[in-house]
Amino acid sequence: DVKVTQSSRYLVKRTGEKVFLECVQDMDHENMFWYRQDPGLGLRLIYFSYDVKMKEKGDIPEGYSVSREKKERFSLILESASTNQTSMYLCASSSTSGRFHGELFFGEGSRLTVL
Amino acid sequence: AQTVTQSQPEMSVQEAETVTLSCTYDTSENNYYLFWYKQPPSRQMILVIRQEAYKQQNATENRFSVNFQKAAKSFSLKISDSQLGDTAMYFCAFMTTYSGNQFYFGTGTSLTVIP
Repeated sequence: DVKVTQSSRYLVKRTGEKVFLECVQDMDHENMFWYRQDPGLGLRLIYFSYDVKMKEKGDIPEGYSVSREKKERFSLILESASTNQTSMYLCASSSTSGRFHGELFFGEGSRLTVL
Repeated sequence: AQTVTQSQPEMSVQEAETVTLSCTYDTSENNYYLFWYKQPPSRQMILVIRQEAYKQQNATENRFSVNFQKAAKSFSLKISDSQLGDTAMYFCAFMTTYSGNQFYFGTGTSLTVIP
């Protein structure tokens, strides 16, 4: 089974702190994604990556950055956390080929609270 | 631009009954995929069913089936013989075959199965 693991299920941070959310997948997927989930807004794409060291902005990249130094790991960074970044963050991965082509596999989510 | 619309924020159904969740989308592309994802309370998002746009036959997965109307850009999910474990948030999603298989999600429908 594909496994997407997010480093923290729950985090509480203070305004201005730097926050790292890490995501690791074990299926050698090319594509990795970071979404933000808020009630009534669905899932909004922050950043995605389709190869090592490659990154593309999604719909709401402001205030975030990402890093993909290895194929299996995709990190989301909040340089200076703000209260409006309090949210559920979902990591996902997908392959561009094979039986599960295109299907997104999700991690369990990281619920971030910024005080 | 690609958009996905789920017009039913909340729905409920009696156990063992049938329920249909609506989804419409907008795109100018001809090759794409459609998905329904399920997110149970405090649990991981998982795939329910997928449909390739080039296939005319509606996809089915056990108690789950879709009504795909390409011309109308409609993609509804039918759940037959509803079970308590079907209680979840359901997201309709559209995937392009370009730009790293980027997904677009609807805002979700919260389904409650009543015993």
